[in-house]
Amino acid sequence: ETGVTQTPRHLVMGMTNKKSLKCEQHLGHNAMYWYKQSAKKPLELMFVYSLEERVENNSVPSRFSPECPNSSHLFLHLHTLQPEDSALYLCASSLGRGSNYGYTFGSGTRLTVV
Amino acid sequence: AQSVTQPDIHITVSEGASLELRCNYSYGATPYLFWYVQSPGQGLQLLLKYFSGDTLVQGIKGFEAEFKRSQSSFNLRKPSVHWSDAAEYFCAVGARGDMRFGAGTRLTVKP
Repeated sequence: ETGVTQTPRHLVMGMTNKKSLKCEQHLGHNAMYWYKQSAKKPLELMFVYSLEERVENNSVPSRFSPECPNSSHLFLHLHTLQPEDSALYLCASSLGRGSNYGYTFGSGTRLTVV
Repeated sequence: AQSVTQPDIHITVSEGASLELRCNYSYGATPYLFWYVQSPGQGLQLLLKYFSGDTLVQGIKGFEAEFKRSQSSFNLRKPSVHWSDAAEYFCAVGARGDMRFGAGTRLTVKP
């Protein structure tokens, strides 16, 4: 399989639940990203991993916890979320870190916090 | 830090009409510029990118964009819009850092 695959596509969770979002790429890319997309707001960069090391954390609340066990997989662990965390969460990858490389995006996980 | 503005939140055009989506960026040097498209329920797909050289860039699906340094703009154009072009369009800017996106322009195509 090629491209960036995100699972699940849809997730509904209560505020006390713990869940994880998964992102997988088989493009040989070395950088992976988590973005949050909320209605009528620009995409918010949450985390950046380069060669499996976290290189950026944009003041994201600790209830979001990323994990990158290898260059092909990226997770976003969620716990005690708030309703305002409901959004589309997009994963992307690129050959190397930096915008001079094109980003390949997954289809996203639509998260609803109830 | 670089930033990007898309002044139009929503644009409606008739099928077959021409299209221009506006994008303005803020950066001290020549940035890398991108246009992405997002269909409902999907991720973002790269339409085209500008790094240097010819200021008129051709992309996929018949789209093109022109980089104008004097106006700090990178507007997206298409001569004749198809119904399948209805989607959300995002302009993005980057330099040595990571990519930053505009808020998007939603395109509706009338029959």
